Amino acid sequence: AQSVTQPDIHITVSEGASLELRCNYSYGATPYLFWYVQSPGQGLQLLLKYFSGDTLVQGIKGFEAEFKRSQSSFNLRKPSVHWSDAAEYFCASGGATNKLIFGTGTLLAVQP
Amino acid sequence: NAGVMQNPRHLVRRRGQEARLRCSPVKGHSHVYWYRQLPEEGLKFMVYLQKENIIDESGMPKERFSAEFPKEGPSILRIQQVVRGDSAAYFCASSPPGTSGSYNEQFFGPGTRLTVL
Repeated sequence: AQSVTQPDIHITVSEGASLELRCNYSYGATPYLFWYVQSPGQGLQLLLKYFSGDTLVQGIKGFEAEFKRSQSSFNLRKPSVHWSDAAEYFCASGGATNKLIFGTGTLLAVQP
Repeated sequence: NAGVMQNPRHLVRRRGQEARLRCSPVKGHSHVYWYRQLPEEGLKFMVYLQKENIIDESGMPKERFSAEFPKEGPSILRIQQVVRGDSAAYFCASSPPGTSGSYNEQFFGPGTRLTVL
C-alpha cells in the first residue's frame, strides 16, 4: 500500500541555519510528490511538487527538494531558515487514484 | 480569483447533533476532495467527488458520514449524530478537470475545525 513517512516529529533550528526535512515514500511506481506547509490554524500551502524530469525541484519561499529513487526519499531543504518558516510541514504522495497520502508532519521551530 | 472556500471555519456541536460542512471549489474546478486531520496527525483522505458523482469514498467511515457535490452549489460533508472522536479539522481541496490517467493538482481550502462537546 502507498505510504509516506516523515521520521522527524519536531525539529528546532536556529535562524539562518540550514534545514533538511526528511520524507520517505512507499509506492510501486514513481509517485507524484509534494511538500505542503501549514501555519497554525491555517490551510495547506503548496511549497513544491515533483511529477517527473529533473530530480531537484525548486519551490516557493526558497525551498527545494530532491527526489532520490534509490532511497525512496523526497527531502525538503532550505539553505537559510527565517523565523517566519516556523510551521508544520507535510510531505504527500499521489498516484493514479488522485487521492493524496500524507505523512504525519514535521513541526519546525526556529530559534532566534 | 477566489480560492477554495470552506464554511463555517469553526463549528461547535454537541454529541448527537448533525454537522454540515460546505466547500466551494475554485471556479471551473469540477473535482472535490475531503480530508480529515485529527489532532497531531497528518491529513487522511476521505472522499473524492466529481459533479453529482462519488468517485472514491474509500476513506469515509462506514456510518454517519456522507458527502455530495451537486450540479449546482457547494460540496457538502455531512456528519450525523456526531461523537467526540469526530472533532478534527476537515479540509476540502479542488482540482480542475484533466485528462484520464494524469494527476490534477489539488488546491486546499482553509479548513473547518469541528469541535464536539
